[in-house]
Amino acid sequence: EAGVAQSPRYKIIEKRQSVAFWCNPISGHATLYWYQQILGQGPKLLIQFQNNGVVDDSQLPKDRFSAERLKGVDSTLKIQPAKLEDSAVYLCASSLDREGEQYFGPGTRLTVT
Amino acid sequence: AQSVTQPDIHITVSEGASLELRCNYSYGATPYLFWYVQSPGQGLQLLLKYFSGDTLVQGIKGFEAEFKRSQSSFNLRKPSVHWSDAAEYFCAVTVGNEKLTFGTGTRLTIIP
Repeated sequence: EAGVAQSPRYKIIEKRQSVAFWCNPISGHATLYWYQQILGQGPKLLIQFQNNGVVDDSQLPKDRFSAERLKGVDSTLKIQPAKLEDSAVYLCASSLDREGEQYFGPGTRLTVT
Repeated sequence: AQSVTQPDIHITVSEGASLELRCNYSYGATPYLFWYVQSPGQGLQLLLKYFSGDTLVQGIKGFEAEFKRSQSSFNLRKPSVHWSDAAEYFCAVTVGNEKLTFGTGTRLTIIP
């Protein structure tokens, strides 16, 4: 069974630029999560989708971050414009349903200079 | 709000020695508890979880954890560590459909 795929693995941008991350969850998983993991901290949930609907985006900085999961499968997370404090690893995870075990992708390491 | 505390930022253990990583949570109800491991450049992998029942749970890679309600703790243990166990370990907590709350992690270094 293929795991959660993410791309790119690494990205370096300058502040005020925009960036997008892509996630392909495990086939059949209805729930998809985006986490932000700042160096030295645990992952923090940014947004949770159930199929193509948003379940929880309470910790998503909506003035600069956006995410979509249009067909209920792949998802993209965008930052526009980026700030220095956005430097982090962005993890995507998926689960069969909202109470299922979460499976994590390898993450995208973003550096904002 | 629920919170998770991992008091040890970094632990160094000799290969073959026993290991215990501490995790304390703060929540009114009994939460669901998890331990994840993250190797460099990798995503998180679930080691074990506690929902209810037997308070000593067995996980993958020879790890176990014990839920102690009186101490609000869920410490991770392994009787004999291997060099490949070097990684970052995260304790996480949730209740029902609420989001997972992670601790700040404990980095484990193994010395020969």
